[in-house]
Amino acid sequence: EPEVTQTPSHQVTQMGQEVILRCVPISNHLYFYWYRQILGQKVEFLVSFYNNEISEKSEIFDDQFSVERPDGSNFTLKIRSTKLEDSAMYFCASRGDRYPTDTQYFGPGTRLTVL
Amino acid sequence: DAKTTQPPSMDCAEGRAANLPCNHSTISGNEYVYWYRQIHSQGPQYIIHGLKNNETNEMASLIITEDRKSSTLILPHATLRDTAVYYCIVRVTGTGANSKLTFGKGITLSVRP
Repeated sequence: EPEVTQTPSHQVTQMGQEVILRCVPISNHLYFYWYRQILGQKVEFLVSFYNNEISEKSEIFDDQFSVERPDGSNFTLKIRSTKLEDSAMYFCASRGDRYPTDTQYFGPGTRLTVL
Repeated sequence: DAKTTQPPSMDCAEGRAANLPCNHSTISGNEYVYWYRQIHSQGPQYIIHGLKNNETNEMASLIITEDRKSSTLILPHATLRDTAVYYCIVRVTGTGANSKLTFGKGITLSVRP
Protein backbone atom coordinates (compact mmCIF):
# COMPACT_ATOMS: atom_id res chain seq x y z
CA GLU A 1 0.00 0.00 0.00
CA PRO A 2 1.40 3.44 -0.92
CA GLU A 3 2.53 5.55 2.01
CA VAL A 4 4.06 8.90 2.82
CA THR A 5 7.66 8.66 3.99
CA GLN A 6 9.70 11.20 5.92
CA THR A 7 13.39 11.63 6.66
CA PRO A 8 15.08 11.89 9.00
CA SER A 9 13.04 10.34 11.78
CA HIS A 10 14.87 12.45 14.34
CA GLN A 11 16.86 15.65 13.80
CA VAL A 12 18.85 17.39 16.49
CA THR A 13 20.14 20.89 15.77
CA GLN A 14 21.54 23.93 17.48
CA MET A 15 19.49 27.07 17.81
CA GLY A 16 20.04 29.34 14.83
CA GLN A 17 20.93 26.54 12.44
CA GLU A 18 19.01 25.74 9.27
CA VAL A 19 17.21 22.42 8.94
CA ILE A 20 15.53 20.74 6.02
CA LEU A 21 12.89 18.11 6.63
CA ARG A 22 12.13 15.80 3.76
CA CYS A 23 9.00 14.03 2.66
CA VAL A 24 8.12 11.73 -0.20
CA PRO A 25 4.36 12.00 -0.75
CA ILE A 26 2.24 9.25 -2.24
CA SER A 27 2.84 8.97 -5.95
CA ASN A 28 0.21 10.78 -8.08
CA HIS A 29 -0.98 12.89 -5.16
CA LEU A 30 -1.22 16.58 -5.99
CA TYR A 31 -1.73 18.35 -2.67
CA PHE A 32 0.94 18.42 0.00
CA TYR A 33 0.88 19.59 3.59
CA TRP A 34 3.06 20.15 6.63
CA TYR A 35 1.70 19.97 10.16
CA ARG A 36 3.49 20.11 13.46
CA GLN A 37 2.78 18.89 16.96
CA ILE A 38 4.54 20.31 19.96
CA LEU A 39 4.85 17.72 22.72
CA GLY A 40 1.55 17.33 24.53
CA GLN A 41 -0.31 19.71 22.24
CA LYS A 42 -2.63 19.47 19.25
CA VAL A 43 -1.60 18.76 15.69
CA GLU A 44 -1.38 22.16 13.97
CA PHE A 45 -1.57 22.99 10.28
CA LEU A 46 1.43 24.83 8.86
CA VAL A 47 1.11 25.02 5.09
CA SER A 48 -0.51 23.50 2.04
CA PHE A 49 1.13 23.31 -1.38
CA TYR A 50 -0.42 22.73 -4.79
CA ASN A 51 0.70 23.27 -8.34
CA ASN A 52 4.14 24.38 -7.17
CA GLU A 53 2.96 27.13 -4.93
CA ILE A 54 1.70 27.69 -1.42
CA SER A 55 -2.08 27.59 -1.38
CA GLU A 56 -2.61 28.29 2.31
CA LYS A 57 -0.45 28.90 5.36
CA SER A 58 -1.05 29.42 9.03
CA GLU A 59 0.25 32.25 11.16
CA ILE A 60 2.88 29.85 12.47
CA PHE A 61 4.40 29.65 8.98
CA ASP A 62 6.39 32.88 9.05
CA ASP A 63 9.38 34.02 7.01
CA GLN A 64 11.62 31.50 8.73
CA PHE A 65 9.75 28.67 7.02
CA SER A 66 9.74 27.70 3.37
CA VAL A 67 8.57 24.74 1.34
CA GLU A 68 9.73 23.36 -1.93
CA ARG A 69 9.11 20.52 -4.31
CA PRO A 70 12.57 20.32 -5.84
CA ASP A 71 11.83 17.36 -8.08
CA GLY A 72 8.94 15.08 -8.94
CA SER A 73 9.01 13.14 -5.72
CA ASN A 74 10.32 15.13 -2.75
CA PHE A 75 8.56 17.80 -0.72
CA THR A 76 10.68 19.71 1.78
CA LEU A 77 10.20 22.03 4.73
CA LYS A 78 13.07 24.37 5.53
CA ILE A 79 13.46 26.28 8.75
CA ARG A 80 16.08 28.95 8.18
CA SER A 81 17.13 29.80 11.70
CA THR A 82 15.73 27.40 14.24
CA LYS A 83 14.45 28.51 17.63
CA LEU A 84 13.94 26.46 20.76
CA GLU A 85 10.18 26.67 20.25
CA ASP A 86 10.48 24.95 16.87
CA SER A 87 11.11 21.69 18.72
CA ALA A 88 8.19 19.47 17.70
CA MET A 89 7.08 16.54 15.59
CA TYR A 90 6.64 17.59 11.98
CA PHE A 91 4.23 15.61 9.84
CA CYS A 92 3.95 15.66 6.08
CA ALA A 93 0.67 14.71 4.41
CA SER A 94 -0.55 14.33 0.86
CA ARG A 95 -3.82 13.77 -0.92
CA GLY A 96 -5.25 13.19 -4.35
CA ASP A 97 -7.23 15.62 -6.42
CA ARG A 98 -10.84 14.68 -6.04
CA TYR A 99 -13.24 12.64 -3.94
CA PRO A 100 -12.81 9.88 -2.94
CA THR A 101 -9.04 10.11 -3.41
CA ASP A 102 -8.77 13.41 -1.55
CA THR A 103 -8.27 11.86 1.86
CA GLN A 104 -5.08 13.12 3.49
CA TYR A 105 -2.52 10.52 4.42
CA PHE A 106 0.22 11.32 6.88
CA GLY A 107 3.83 10.30 7.16
CA PRO A 108 5.40 8.96 10.36
CA GLY A 109 6.88 12.33 11.25
CA THR A 110 10.25 13.89 11.98
CA ARG A 111 11.07 14.73 15.57
CA LEU A 112 12.98 18.02 15.57
CA THR A 113 14.92 18.87 18.70
CA VAL A 114 16.46 22.35 18.90
CA LEU A 115 19.12 22.78 21.58
CA ASP B 1 -14.98 23.89 8.86
CA ALA B 2 -17.47 23.00 11.55
CA LYS B 3 -16.22 22.46 15.08
CA THR B 4 -16.40 19.05 16.74
CA THR B 5 -16.74 18.10 20.39
CA GLN B 6 -15.44 14.86 21.84
CA PRO B 7 -15.19 13.64 25.44
CA PRO B 8 -11.58 13.68 26.62
CA SER B 9 -11.24 9.99 27.31
CA MET B 10 -12.85 6.60 27.58
CA ASP B 11 -11.82 3.04 28.08
CA CYS B 12 -13.05 -0.37 27.08
CA ALA B 13 -12.13 -3.99 27.62
CA GLU B 14 -10.09 -5.84 25.06
CA GLY B 15 -12.32 -7.78 22.67
CA ARG B 16 -15.33 -5.57 23.29
CA ALA B 17 -16.70 -2.93 20.98
CA ALA B 18 -15.47 0.60 21.50
CA ASN B 19 -18.02 3.30 20.66
CA LEU B 20 -16.45 6.74 20.32
CA PRO B 21 -18.91 9.65 20.14
CA CYS B 22 -18.52 12.99 18.39
CA ASN B 23 -20.77 16.03 18.21
CA HIS B 24 -20.73 18.31 15.18
CA SER B 25 -23.96 20.26 15.51
CA THR B 26 -22.91 23.04 13.10
CA ILE B 27 -21.95 20.73 10.26
CA SER B 28 -22.81 21.98 6.78
CA GLY B 29 -24.45 19.97 4.05
CA ASN B 30 -21.23 19.60 2.08
CA GLU B 31 -19.00 18.64 5.01
CA TYR B 32 -17.88 15.10 5.58
CA VAL B 33 -17.03 13.53 8.92
CA TYR B 34 -13.50 12.11 9.07
CA TRP B 35 -11.89 10.02 11.77
CA TYR B 36 -8.17 9.73 12.32
CA ARG B 37 -6.20 8.24 15.16
CA GLN B 38 -2.74 8.86 16.54
CA ILE B 39 -0.88 6.14 18.34
CA HIS B 40 1.64 7.65 20.72
CA SER B 41 3.53 10.30 18.67
CA GLN B 42 3.15 8.61 15.30
CA GLY B 43 1.58 10.33 12.32
CA PRO B 44 -2.22 10.56 12.30
CA GLN B 45 -3.72 7.50 10.67
CA TYR B 46 -6.83 7.76 8.53
CA ILE B 47 -9.63 5.46 9.68
CA ILE B 48 -12.88 6.22 7.89
CA HIS B 49 -15.11 9.01 6.68
CA GLY B 50 -18.72 9.56 5.65
CA LEU B 51 -21.31 12.11 4.61
CA LYS B 52 -24.67 10.85 5.80
CA ASN B 53 -24.82 7.13 5.26
CA ASN B 54 -23.26 4.68 7.66
CA GLU B 55 -19.90 3.44 6.49
CA THR B 56 -17.84 0.36 7.26
CA ASN B 57 -14.34 -0.69 6.32
CA GLU B 58 -11.81 -3.17 7.61
CA MET B 59 -10.90 -0.94 10.54
CA ALA B 60 -14.17 0.45 11.83
CA SER B 61 -17.76 1.48 11.30
CA LEU B 62 -19.07 5.03 11.24
CA ILE B 63 -22.63 5.75 12.29
CA ILE B 64 -23.92 9.24 11.46
CA THR B 65 -27.25 10.39 12.89
CA GLU B 66 -30.01 11.34 10.51
CA ASP B 67 -29.68 15.04 11.33
CA ARG B 68 -25.88 14.71 10.91
CA LYS B 69 -25.24 16.55 14.15
CA SER B 70 -23.36 13.68 15.72
CA SER B 71 -21.59 10.46 14.84
CA THR B 72 -20.10 7.39 16.48
CA LEU B 73 -16.98 5.53 15.49
CA ILE B 74 -17.22 1.86 16.33
CA LEU B 75 -14.23 -0.43 16.71
CA PRO B 76 -16.02 -3.80 16.79
CA HIS B 77 -13.39 -5.80 18.68
CA ALA B 78 -10.93 -3.49 20.37
CA THR B 79 -7.38 -4.70 20.91
CA LEU B 80 -4.56 -3.27 23.00
CA ARG B 81 -3.09 -1.83 19.79
CA ASP B 82 -6.19 0.34 19.39
CA THR B 83 -5.12 2.42 22.39
CA ALA B 84 -4.68 5.86 20.83
CA VAL B 85 -6.06 9.38 20.51
CA TYR B 86 -9.00 9.44 18.09
CA TYR B 87 -9.86 12.62 16.22
CA CYS B 88 -13.22 13.46 14.69
CA ILE B 89 -12.83 16.15 12.02
CA VAL B 90 -15.36 17.66 9.65
CA ARG B 91 -14.30 19.19 6.37
CA VAL B 92 -15.42 19.90 2.85
CA THR B 93 -14.03 17.45 0.35
CA GLY B 94 -13.20 17.80 -3.28
CA THR B 95 -10.85 19.97 -5.21
CA GLY B 96 -9.72 23.24 -3.80
CA ALA B 97 -6.86 24.46 -1.77
CA ASN B 98 -8.71 25.13 1.46
CA SER B 99 -8.56 21.55 2.64
CA LYS B 100 -6.42 21.63 5.74
CA LEU B 101 -7.41 19.42 8.64
CA THR B 102 -8.14 21.13 11.93
CA PHE B 103 -7.36 18.82 14.82
CA GLY B 104 -8.90 19.17 18.24
CA LYS B 105 -7.75 17.39 21.35
CA GLY B 106 -9.49 14.18 20.35
CA ILE B 107 -10.60 11.39 22.62
CA THR B 108 -8.05 9.15 24.29
CA LEU B 109 -9.16 5.54 24.09
CA SER B 110 -7.54 3.16 26.53
CA VAL B 111 -8.10 -0.53 25.89
CA ARG B 112 -7.59 -2.60 29.01
CA PRO B 113 -6.65 -6.29 29.03
